[in-house]
Amino acid sequence: DTGVSQNPRHKITKRGQNVTFRCDPISEHNRLYWYRQTLGQGPEFLTYFQNEAQLEKSRLLSDRFSAERPKGSFSTLEIQRTEQGDSAMYLCASSREVYEQYFGPGTRLTVT
Amino acid sequence: GDSVTQMEGPVTLSEEAFLTINCTYTATGYPSLFWYVQYPGEGLQLLLKATKADDKGSNKGFEATYRKETTSFHLEKGSVQVSDSAVYFCALSEKDTGRRALTFGSGTRLQVQP
Repeated sequence: DTGVSQNPRHKITKRGQNVTFRCDPISEHNRLYWYRQTLGQGPEFLTYFQNEAQLEKSRLLSDRFSAERPKGSFSTLEIQRTEQGDSAMYLCASSREVYEQYFGPGTRLTVT
Repeated sequence: GDSVTQMEGPVTLSEEAFLTINCTYTATGYPSLFWYVQYPGEGLQLLLKATKADDKGSNKGFEATYRKETTSFHLEKGSVQVSDSAVYFCALSEKDTGRRALTFGSGTRLQVQP
């Protein structure tokens, strides 16, 4: 396994701009998750895919957030009209078995 | 809803000291329990897990026992090393409800001094 990869690792953007993050899961992992982690806190669940189907979305995922997983492989998370409160680490995880999730290194977003 | 409560850090210990990080949980159903570790500058790594009551998860000298009666999953290590310095997160995942997301505690920072 090459591990979960995320790009970019860091993103600085101005308020109001759109940003897109990418996650490449471990090959053959059919489940993919997005979490958000702010400083000093544990990760908070955003959304979950099984193959290409988005099966669950947290109420944290406002209308400005959208996630896709075309063809059930990589996933993208887009934030439109970014706000300073969106500044956080965005984590991606994947799993093959139901409960054991493997995390990527994260994308740190700073909104100025 | 589900929640996980961890002891606040930082926890500062000398090398070879005994470690306990407390974790208690509230869950709707019968969850699986996990400890994740985050080393400086790195992503979350699964440290150990337990899926049913009285199960003991163990890895790298760390242990935690699933205590359903006290809804706890405390992390222990008999002799910590400087390399164990990291942030430790307790987490749960529901089984009965089919919800796949992990619910995390706020993390406990461990600092081990030589």
